[in-house]
Amino acid sequence: DVKVTQSSRYLVKRTGEKVFLECVQDMDHENMFWYRQDPGLGLRLIYFSYDVKMKEKGDIPEGYSVSREKKERFSLILESASTNQTSMYLCASSLKGYELFFGSGTQLSVL
Amino acid sequence: EDQVTQSPEALRLQEGESSSLNCSYTVSGLRGLFWYRQDPGKGPEFLFTLYSAGEEKEKERLKATLTKKESFLHITAPKPEDSATYLCAVQAGFQKLVFGTGTRLLVSP
Repeated sequence: DVKVTQSSRYLVKRTGEKVFLECVQDMDHENMFWYRQDPGLGLRLIYFSYDVKMKEKGDIPEGYSVSREKKERFSLILESASTNQTSMYLCASSLKGYELFFGSGTQLSVL
Repeated sequence: EDQVTQSPEALRLQEGESSSLNCSYTVSGLRGLFWYRQDPGKGPEFLFTLYSAGEEKEKERLKATLTKKESFLHITAPKPEDSATYLCAVQAGFQKLVFGTGTRLLVSP
């Protein structure tokens, strides 16, 4: 079974902190994604990567950056956390197409 | 702008009571419509892909259908373990999906 592992289930940070969310997949997938999920808004794509060191902006990239130094690992960085970045963050991977395999998510609270 | 609207927001069924969830979409040239299931505290799990009007896919008690404007997820004789949030999404560009806000389904024994 494909496994997508997110490093933290719950995270509490202060405004202005730099925050790193880590994601690892074990199936040699080319594509990796970061989404955030908010009530009433659904899942929204922040960034995705289709190869090592390649990244593309999604629909809401402002305030975020990403890093993919190795194929299996995709990191989401909040340069200076703000309260409006309190959300559930979901990492996903796919080999081809749009059958995405999601991690269990990181619930981030920014106080 | 590509958009996905799901209805109802929430649905409560008795075990064995069949029903349908709706996903209506507006997209410039549909390239794919996707259904996912999400259990509380977990990430979404892929169910189906539909590409063209008239296409149908089935998995156990679930059947997904597609027209030019909407998709339905039919649930036949549901069981309590079918309780989850069902998400619909459309392809909106390279590696981009636009998701609806989901339908929360609760099946009571």
